[in-house]
Amino acid sequence: GQQVQQSPASLVLQEGENAELQCNFSTSLNSMQWFYQRPGGSLVSLFYNPSGTKHSGRLTSTTVIKERRSSLHISSSQTTDSGTYLCALEPAYNTNTGKLTFGDGTVLTVKP
Amino acid sequence: ETAVFQTPNYHVTQVGNEVSFNCKQTLGHDTMYWYKQDSKKLLKIMFSYNNKQLIVNETVPRRFSPQSSDKAHLNLRIKSVEPEDSAVYLCASSSLRDRYEQYFGPGTRLTVL
Repeated sequence: GQQVQQSPASLVLQEGENAELQCNFSTSLNSMQWFYQRPGGSLVSLFYNPSGTKHSGRLTSTTVIKERRSSLHISSSQTTDSGTYLCALEPAYNTNTGKLTFGDGTVLTVKP
Repeated sequence: ETAVFQTPNYHVTQVGNEVSFNCKQTLGHDTMYWYKQDSKKLLKIMFSYNNKQLIVNETVPRRFSPQSSDKAHLNLRIKSVEPEDSAVYLCASSSLRDRYEQYFGPGTRLTVL
């Protein structure tokens, strides 16, 4: 089965609403990253968060190893938040290769 | 400026031609990667190099070959392109010093006619 599963696949919000994106994984991990990708754009690293909670502006990432999940919370969404959000992890069995396995992504659309 | 740079941005070619993509990072990292992102936006690792040594080589067709002259450069050559090679090719870099947090280039979009 797929090692990294993201949900929801797509999400439509009104500007100002909050979003909660989920990433569930089936293996222990060395690293976990969240990325943002605008259509036709490059991947921008949002968080490197293999465990615990990290904050950056309106974004919060929480990774709970025991429950094999990581979440990305976006508060007070803006139209410029629209794009694809990807989680990626390096499985623990990949000894120091840095090789990432990506989820399928969540496509977020924020309407004005 | 410290970042990951890729050239070209776009490339359109015919089936059977050879193409080559370049990637350079100025972040001082020792590990570089090539990923392929298909039309469904699925991202998959292709190759990984650490200090010019190949350390990850996923199951990709043999017409794909990575080339590394030094730890700051990792190029990708496709010997005889096929229509299914149309995709965005993303280069990334990381280092043990930064716990392998990966930084990506802008990508090269390949269209095979």
